Amino acid sequence: EDQVTQSPEALRLQEGESSSLNCSYTVSGLRGLFWYRQDPGKGPEFLFTLYSAGEEKEKERLKATLTKKESFLHITAPKPEDSATYLCAVQSPYSVGSARQLTFGSGTQLTVLP
Amino acid sequence: DSGVTQTPKHLITATGQRVTLRCSPRSGDLSVYWYQQSLDQGLQFLIQYYNGEERAKGNILERFSAQQFPDLHSELNLSSLELGDSALYFCASSVEAAPSSYNEQFFGPGTRLTVL
Repeated sequence: EDQVTQSPEALRLQEGESSSLNCSYTVSGLRGLFWYRQDPGKGPEFLFTLYSAGEEKEKERLKATLTKKESFLHITAPKPEDSATYLCAVQSPYSVGSARQLTFGSGTQLTVLP
Repeated sequence: DSGVTQTPKHLITATGQRVTLRCSPRSGDLSVYWYQQSLDQGLQFLIQYYNGEERAKGNILERFSAQQFPDLHSELNLSSLELGDSALYFCASSVEAAPSSYNEQFFGPGTRLTVL
């Protein structure tokens, strides 16, 4: 069974203070690792997909990296508008009759103080 | 805006009642997933439909059912509602051009269900 663990549960940063969020996963054959951002009461917003170890992707102040056992979401010089819950998810391998559902971690709640 | 729409935005009902949640996927997406998000359980997969057919079930209760129509919109039916069914319900869509392809899932804004 796929498992995803995110740490820390909550993180408070001062504006401009860079940091990293961690996502550890256990999956039989990774088909994709996904990062989402979720604001309170809203649907998860897609950020990145990573498919293989060593892959990196960037978007504005965010950079996601992937190893064989974990992924990191690096936030450089964050701003208050980056405050949200960041969710990591893995996708199950394909097999007949199975779903390609995402298995989510519990998220990291990021607060960036001005 | 992900392009996935869900209605209604909020739903308040009583225990024992039945409700229907509606989802329209992004244009061109064949696959629809339903997820439930509660405070203590996080995001949990319920069921997936692909091009009108049920593909697989996750942690979906027998009181819950879903369908996907020819125009690809989907409905999630929740019956005999209990207090514990109060949660955010999201649908997500994905293109999945082939059964074995993998694609990002794009989430709708959700329906907040409150059972009193």
